[in-house]
Amino acid sequence: GQQLNQSPQSMFIQEGEDVSMNCTSSSIFNTWLWYKQDPGEGPVLLIALYKAGELTSNGRLTAQFGITRKDSFLNISASIPSDVGIYFCAGQLRSGNTPLVFGKGTRLSVIA
Amino acid sequence: DVKVTQSSRYLVKRTGEKVFLECVQDMDHENMFWYRQDPGLGLRLIYFSYDVKMKEKGDIPEGYSVSREKKERFSLILESASTNQTSMYLCASSPRSFSQYFGPGTRLTVT
Repeated sequence: GQQLNQSPQSMFIQEGEDVSMNCTSSSIFNTWLWYKQDPGEGPVLLIALYKAGELTSNGRLTAQFGITRKDSFLNISASIPSDVGIYFCAGQLRSGNTPLVFGKGTRLSVIA
Repeated sequence: DVKVTQSSRYLVKRTGEKVFLECVQDMDHENMFWYRQDPGLGLRLIYFSYDVKMKEKGDIPEGYSVSREKKERFSLILESASTNQTSMYLCASSPRSFSQYFGPGTRLTVT
């Protein structure tokens, strides 16, 4: 099955720093989603993007749907210790009942 | 709030046993999914269902089957568990808009 190229694979940052991660693909996506997974838990939806060029914020998180529809990025501003976890991007290739395609995740560690 | 529950958080089974993993959602979602998550491999889709009694194979269906007799419940079945099926299993549901909501996961160990 197809997967998205998510980078970086892992990040170690100082508390208070800003974070940026992204997903790219050779295919065009109709929808981009960003999830966060805490250790031992299921992923939780952070942001959903439905239009090319769309920029959406959720608190300290900002995500954008790339204008080419082949990429998306997630920024976290002023990181705090509870931002630790694995962040996944996901996309839907076509409208209708087609499953999401997931990236392999970015593992974020925050050093206090 | 959407709630997706999975029957067990941790499960230990023996090789060759038949294993049932249950998933229930309370938001009347049409779509339900089963994934497994392994280090370095991300989330891999096993099976999904768009409606009651309907099922579609995902990327890695071998060794698994599913059942969806009621809209709110989607079961994953390991007919004869093997050690390479030791993994974290995640269930998800979604309305037709396709924002999926995940359960807490079941960590299955097959010895």
